[in-house]
Amino acid sequence: QQQVKQSPQSLIVQKGGISIINCAYENTAFDYFPWYQQFPGKGPALLIAIRPDVSEKKEGRFTISFNKSAKQFSLHIMDSQPGDSATYFCAAAYNQGGKLIFGQGTELSVKP
Amino acid sequence: NAGVTQTPKFQVLKTGQSMTLQCAQDMNHNSMYWYRQDPGMGLRLIYYSASEGTTDKGEVPNGYNVSRLNKREFSLRLESAAPSQTSVYFCASSGGLRGTQYFGPGTRLLVL
Repeated sequence: QQQVKQSPQSLIVQKGGISIINCAYENTAFDYFPWYQQFPGKGPALLIAIRPDVSEKKEGRFTISFNKSAKQFSLHIMDSQPGDSATYFCAAAYNQGGKLIFGQGTELSVKP
Repeated sequence: NAGVTQTPKFQVLKTGQSMTLQCAQDMNHNSMYWYRQDPGMGLRLIYYSASEGTTDKGEVPNGYNVSRLNKREFSLRLESAAPSQTSVYFCASSGGLRGTQYFGPGTRLLVL
């Protein structure tokens, strides 16, 4: 059973546009929601993370929006650049420990 | 400071063969993890070790065993490889169960 559902599976955006990736979770015990970025042939790396006591977190061009009542969170990439082309994973963790449950991943391609 | 290292980078096995994937970290982290990545499935946790001397099953442990050799090293063993174990395997470490996970470069495994 997939506890974290991510969409879309792939996304093509023009340079300068906004990329939006959505995730939904089921378990209300999750209390930590990171996003990881993965370039081809590399391991994932933490991009940005949020806890459910805030509705938004921004770091540069990357913003997480969090809706606790809807059990959804999303990643917005403003002014998308070709260098942002990568696979993005949302994840969630239980408060009992650090096991991360990952979404299925979104392959983002930013066209010049 | 190499971070998380994994060996080998690539391996081809025949069904029924065994092998051990090696992982080491030089960040003095307590927690270490093994994931597998398959298209459309995201990253799925196989086993994790919250601290030296402890290991626990993750989401997909069947067919695998692990050893936390010391604080630095965490190995994953396939006793009798099956084609369903064809995947990319990632090792990760974190300073604690709630900390950021740092991933290695991955091992690409093909089981024929």
